[in-house]
Amino acid sequence: SQQGEEDPQALSIQEGENATMNCSYKTSINNLQWYRQNSGRGLVHLILIRSNEREKHSGRLRVTLDTSKKSSSLLITASRAADTASYFCATAGSARQLTFGSGTQLTVLP
Amino acid sequence: KAGVTQTPRYLIKTRGQQVTLSCSPISGHRSVSWYQQTPGQGLQFLFEYFSETQRNKGNFPGRFSGRQFSNSRSEMNVSTLELGDSALYLCASSFRGTFTDTQYFGPGTRLTVL
Repeated sequence: SQQGEEDPQALSIQEGENATMNCSYKTSINNLQWYRQNSGRGLVHLILIRSNEREKHSGRLRVTLDTSKKSSSLLITASRAADTASYFCATAGSARQLTFGSGTQLTVLP
Repeated sequence: KAGVTQTPRYLIKTRGQQVTLSCSPISGHRSVSWYQQTPGQGLQFLFEYFSETQRNKGNFPGRFSGRQFSNSRSEMNVSTLELGDSALYLCASSFRGTFTDTQYFGPGTRLTVL
């Protein structure tokens, strides 16, 4: 079963705009990871944030984590058409597995 | 370093048949996990192997099985295929398998059951 939900389910923006996706989860975690998937292909790892971290940056990506609210957000700044993809959050807790959210489909219009 | 590879990339089978999928992890990685992705259920964990031992199993019927070899390559097998087994099957590898580190995913095997 999935850990939680991602919001929104779909997001459409213009090139150059920022895109924000949110992820909520249910149980305690060791870390939360964000992945990108293009058209039903494999998952590409974007960023990992540990439970004792609140914010992390990687290039145009900014991830925040609020463990008290059991939520995370992914911000992509200055979006490009090539950012069009599905974005998933995945949590890692005490079990040896990743539990994925339902994903956000991002469309960046040129 | 070469990434995670999965073979075959596409597979078409009929109900009742069985299928074997293969995953070669990144060199040096000892943990391999398998996930099933469907439009209805999303990404669901199947099982994880570390040093040839299954360390965790998801909530799937016994028709789904797997194994890992001494070179860390892994196979998963689905017997008596059902239409609902049509999915993208993804494997991921990591060095320690503690899930405190990044999981690197392969391109997936697209299985269609007719």
